[in-house]
Amino acid sequence: AQRVTQPEKLLSVFKGAPVELKCNYSYSGSPELFWYVQYSRQRLQLLLRHISRESIKGFTADLNKGETSFHLKKPFAQEEDSAMYYCALMTTDSWGKLQFGAGTQVVVTP
Amino acid sequence: NAGVMQNPRHLVRRRGQEARLRCSPMKGHSHVYWYRQLPEEGLKFMVYLQKENIIDESGMPKERFSAEFPKEGPSILRIQQVVRGDSAAYFCASSPRVPDSGNTIYFGEGSWLTVV
Repeated sequence: AQRVTQPEKLLSVFKGAPVELKCNYSYSGSPELFWYVQYSRQRLQLLLRHISRESIKGFTADLNKGETSFHLKKPFAQEEDSAMYYCALMTTDSWGKLQFGAGTQVVVTP
Repeated sequence: NAGVMQNPRHLVRRRGQEARLRCSPMKGHSHVYWYRQLPEEGLKFMVYLQKENIIDESGMPKERFSAEFPKEGPSILRIQQVVRGDSAAYFCASSPRVPDSGNTIYFGEGSWLTVV
């Protein structure tokens, strides 16, 4: 069965510092990976999907199939980046069924 | 486009009562998904519906929970005889068709159920 692991529950960084959120997955096939962001009690918003390879709000993520990872990175954190970040996986045999990690709370302090 | 609309946003129920959560997908979307977020946990898939059909309910608890997406009107997630453990945020999402490389699942703002 597929699994998504986000090892850090909380990540506290200073404004302007780099931030990296780790995401590892287990799936034997070719998954589709996503990062979602949830600001305080609001809807989940799609931040990135690996197939589009675009950068949103300065965040990037690269799918590393060898390490089965999809880490999220931003070179200079901003206070407005404080939020909950979820890594999610979807497989070709269960479209629409996202498997989420437990999430990482990011706190950016000035 | 108003986005995925969920109501109520907050619902308080006593143990043993019924909870009904409604979800109107984005305009043009015919696929609806329900997820549950328990305190301190990530979102867990519950059910995937198309109009008048349940496609995948592998994440639904076997008892007390049911979901529908009628031909007309919103999708409804119904929880009968609620217990304290049902307290959670319930998120609805929708997509225009089966998500593939050209599509995305869009989420609503969630319904927070508190059972007292």
